Amino acid sequence: AQTVTQSQPEMSVQEAETVTLSCTYDTSESNYYLFWYKQPPSRQMILVIRQEAYKQQNATENRFSVNFQKAAKSFSLKISDSQLGDTAMYFCAFMPQSGNTPLVFGKGTRLSVIA
Amino acid sequence: KAGVTQTPRYLIKTRGQQVTLSCSPISGHRSVSWYQQTPGQGLQFLFEYFSETQRNKGNFPGRFSGRQFSNSRSEMNVSTLELGDSALYLCASSLGQGLFYNEQFFGPGTRLTVL
Repeated sequence: AQTVTQSQPEMSVQEAETVTLSCTYDTSESNYYLFWYKQPPSRQMILVIRQEAYKQQNATENRFSVNFQKAAKSFSLKISDSQLGDTAMYFCAFMPQSGNTPLVFGKGTRLSVIA
Repeated sequence: KAGVTQTPRYLIKTRGQQVTLSCSPISGHRSVSWYQQTPGQGLQFLFEYFSETQRNKGNFPGRFSGRQFSNSRSEMNVSTLELGDSALYLCASSLGQGLFYNEQFFGPGTRLTVL
């Protein structure tokens, strides 16, 4: 069974600064996807960024980037130039690349961006 | 294109009652997944339906059931409610086809409180 661990329950960052959220996972699969989801206080979960395990290049989406270390089973999210709208719960998630299978989520990190 | 909708948004029930939650996926999506979100357990997968058939199932008791209709709308039912069933219930829809990843789009959730 796959597990996803987020070791930082809460974090805070000053507006315009950079913050990194950590995530580790455990799996015996060789091909899989990793995700970061954002859940703002309004509760609608949205996908922030996706990484395919077979790709060595780290994914980037505007101010969001990841540091994917496959051997270490680590998948951290870096948010640059933090904005007040980045305040949310962030969930790291895993999905095997074996057809349509459920997402396995970490417990989440509550990020507060402070003005 | 309209997003995933869930009804009702809030629900209060008492122990022993049963409840039905509804999820309407994005038009054209044939897969609907249900997740339970609690502060203690985080996000846990309940089940997934594709083309009216349960394709994946999480580790929940038989009190939790679901179904999917021919228009892809899905309902989940919880019978004999317990206090521990208080949670945010999220549904997510995706195309659900093919061998590889289909992005899941989440609804706003139904907040169930059991008294």
